[in-house]
Amino acid sequence: SQKIEQNSEALNIQEGKTATLTCNYTNYSPAYLQWYRQDPGRGPVFLLLIRENEKEKRKERLKVTFDTTLKQSLFHITASQPADSATYLCALSSGGSYIPTFGRGTSLIVHP
Amino acid sequence: NAGVTQTPKFRVLKTGQSMTLLCAQDMNHEYMYWYRQDPGMGLRLIHYSVGEGTTAKGEVPDGYNVSRLKKQNFLLGLESAAPSQTSVYFCASSYTDRGPTSSYEQYFGPGTRLTVT
Repeated sequence: SQKIEQNSEALNIQEGKTATLTCNYTNYSPAYLQWYRQDPGRGPVFLLLIRENEKEKRKERLKVTFDTTLKQSLFHITASQPADSATYLCALSSGGSYIPTFGRGTSLIVHP
Repeated sequence: NAGVTQTPKFRVLKTGQSMTLLCAQDMNHEYMYWYRQDPGMGLRLIHYSVGEGTTAKGEVPDGYNVSRLKKQNFLLGLESAAPSQTSVYFCASSYTDRGPTSSYEQYFGPGTRLTVT
């Protein structure tokens, strides 16, 4: 069956360091992959999309990589700040589908 | 531009009671979705709609019904609430654009926290 895996353990890092979150998937042929941010008590907010034919995407301090051979996406936040503390969700969609399937998310805690 | 709004924000129901959750969007989006989010389970799709008057089942549709009578509104109904339906419910909407530059972004509402006792 299709499965999306994100580390259930929270990632704790010091301010200024680079945070790296992982999204692994199995039995999937995603056309694209998205990353969302979710703050406590709020709905997810879209951050970035990367397509199957793209290796890397950047937006300000954010960088996403997509390796369809390893079936993995990495999400990086450089020069992390306490305000980056949140849960980050990855979501995959197969070709022809406009409906993503979400991972369970990984909590990021940035310590001052 | 309010984006996606949800009513109510909180609700406590007794087992067997019914209720309707309302989702409204002012972005003229064709697609709308209802998700539930439970600890350790992530977001799971309940029902979705690709346009006014159309609905379809998602991953966990049992115990829920939906209606999309107007493009801007998507209603989620619980006919006979059960404790297993205690959850946070999110509505989302998105554009139909699936071109090469589309982000396929889903816009989420603030959520409804429902407790069934």
